[in-house]
Amino acid sequence: QVQLVQSGAEVKKPGASVKVSCKASGYTFTSYYMHWVRQAPGQGLEWMGIINPSGGSTSYAQKFQGRVTMTRDTSTSTVYMELSSLRSEDTAVYYCARGHSNCLDYWGQGTLVTVSS
Amino acid sequence: EIVLTQSPGTLSLSPGERATLSCRASQSVSSSYLAWYQQKPGQAPRLLIYGASSRATGIPDRFSGSGSGTDFTLTISRLEPEDFAVYYCQQYGTFGPGTKVDIK
Repeated sequence: QVQLVQSGAEVKKPGASVKVSCKASGYTFTSYYMHWVRQAPGQGLEWMGIINPSGGSTSYAQKFQGRVTMTRDTSTSTVYMELSSLRSEDTAVYYCARGHSNCLDYWGQGTLVTVSS
Repeated sequence: EIVLTQSPGTLSLSPGERATLSCRASQSVSSSYLAWYQQKPGQAPRLLIYGASSRATGIPDRFSGSGSGTDFTLTISRLEPEDFAVYYCQQYGTFGPGTKVDIK
């Protein structure tokens, strides 16, 4: 069965960077794009960007351009999302989600990133 | 940039009632890119509907989607206790703000 397992919660200071991982299993890793979506406490869903695990190409939401980097490791079927220059407004749950038929059909369990001094 | 607006913000209904949720796009979008998700507290979102009207695997047939152009609808024919949650529409890189369906 398809599973996306994310890394654990993180606490970071303002200005630092965070790198969240998402390990995929149960399907051919390189056959499906992976999206990253975040959700601030009590707020809605915010799309951050997408990576093609096959070639590594990426597309980021304009809001995160210059601060986010998405990468993948095909040997371990893992995608990564790194967000730099963290500020308090980046406190959120970060999700990876598999892209399929123009939707997100499987989601990771989420990773809480807390930015606090 | 496409903006999605969902209404109402909150829908208060009783189990067994019909729920009708609206998602309106700021410009015409392809139906093939319109999806609906359900999210319960403390859980990741779950895909319900893709391509505006196709149910995802394992989704009960009381959930249905319709619409085209700028106006889309998610209908829950008879609310079950487990259906009280927040529902989001999505068009590629844009999510709507969500509609909360709570118990009246």
